[in-house]
Amino acid sequence: AQSVTQPDIHITVSEGASLELRCNYSYGATPYLFWYVQSPGQGLQLLLKYFSGDTLVQGIKGFEAEFKRSQSSFNLRKPSVHWSDAAEYFCAVVHKGRGSTLGRLYFGRGTQLTVWP
Amino acid sequence: DAMVIQNPRYQVTQFGKPVTLSCSQTLNHNVMYWYQQKSSQAPKLLFHYYDKDFNNEADTPDNFQSRRPNTSFCFLDIRSPGLGDAAMYLCATSRAKDGEQYFGPGTRLTVT
Repeated sequence: AQSVTQPDIHITVSEGASLELRCNYSYGATPYLFWYVQSPGQGLQLLLKYFSGDTLVQGIKGFEAEFKRSQSSFNLRKPSVHWSDAAEYFCAVVHKGRGSTLGRLYFGRGTQLTVWP
Repeated sequence: DAMVIQNPRYQVTQFGKPVTLSCSQTLNHNVMYWYQQKSSQAPKLLFHYYDKDFNNEADTPDNFQSRRPNTSFCFLDIRSPGLGDAAMYLCATSRAKDGEQYFGPGTRLTVT
């Protein structure tokens, strides 16, 4: 069964520091992977996605993520965090193939990012 | 800009009083989803439409219904809201079933 694990519930970094949010997935085939960000009281905004091809994907707001099949990981990175990056981050995998669950997004539980000035 | 719009952004209803949440999209996407998100949790899929084909999640309570009168609009009806239904309700769309989903800003439902 598909699943996504975000091992860190809460991460705190200083503004200007680098950031890495971890995501591990369980999926039988090559997954479609996503990172979403959610600010308080808002919907989810897509940061980046991986479908195929180059395993290092660039997203919006200076974020990037690297797909590592051997580690079943899709970690999100940013070289220098800004105070406005404080939010909840969700990693997700979508079910491909056939059946009624086609298209269902499986979310991790989220990582709350706090940025200190 | 093409987008997913949810109205209202905040909704207060009384225990047991039916409520309808609205979602519209200008993306012309085939698939529309409704999620329930409680505090500090990931969104939970309630149901989705692929065009007019309705797909209900097995654990979605019967209290929750949905309508999609046309491509652009989708409604979430809660027939008899309970205190446990207080949550953020998110609408999302995607072009294809396994494509990326675009989320609206959500409707925060309070049940008094």
